[in-house]
Amino acid sequence: DAGITQSPRHKVTETGTPVTLRCHQTENHRYMYWYRQDPGHGLRLIHYSYGVKDTDKGEVSDGYSVSRSKTEDFLLTLESATSSQTSVYFCAISESEGTDTQYFGPGTRLTVL
Amino acid sequence: RKEVEQDPGPFNVPEGATVAFNCTYSNSASQSFFWYRQDCRKEPKLLMSVYSSGNEDGRFTAQLNRASQYISLLIRDSKLSDSATYLCVVQFSGSARQLTFGSGTQLTVLP
Repeated sequence: DAGITQSPRHKVTETGTPVTLRCHQTENHRYMYWYRQDPGHGLRLIHYSYGVKDTDKGEVSDGYSVSRSKTEDFLLTLESATSSQTSVYFCAISESEGTDTQYFGPGTRLTVL
Repeated sequence: RKEVEQDPGPFNVPEGATVAFNCTYSNSASQSFFWYRQDCRKEPKLLMSVYSSGNEDGRFTAQLNRASQYISLLIRDSKLSDSATYLCVVQFSGSARQLTFGSGTQLTVLP
């Protein structure tokens, strides 16, 4: 299994509070991604990174920001959490060249009350 | 219309059965195709890539029809351990390695 961890694994928070989710990899892969998964929608891309300090928006980026100051860490921040952001969040990584396979972390289950 | 569409199921089949899943995609300028498997409350994991010529991995066969924008997955001799959700995944050209996921097809293999 690819070396990807996510923290926290579970979080319950209240509307309006800031939340930061962390993705950590030990594979030295260039690309990192944040997805959310909701019933009936499949996985949807929030933001992705193609290198340190290089990030771009995905399909559902509103209300989210990201940062990548080191190759191994990709942070997802909800500046002011809303109930619509209750979801399961997955981080993924892929190698820099020659492959499009993405490997996923175990996920973070976030509940916003 | 969703970019990647799958029959959500559920498919309930007996052990040993053959089951097929279908997936259609809307963008003809698509580059790469995959099937991922996701167990309940777990992360998705790559099952197999899908090539134009079709490919097989043990009991699993994947087919791609670019003209019809259609992908299929065939599972032969189903095992209880095959119970999972199967995700059809497409990478569209020019999308910087972004993948688009279908909502998944749920399979339960019954003893």
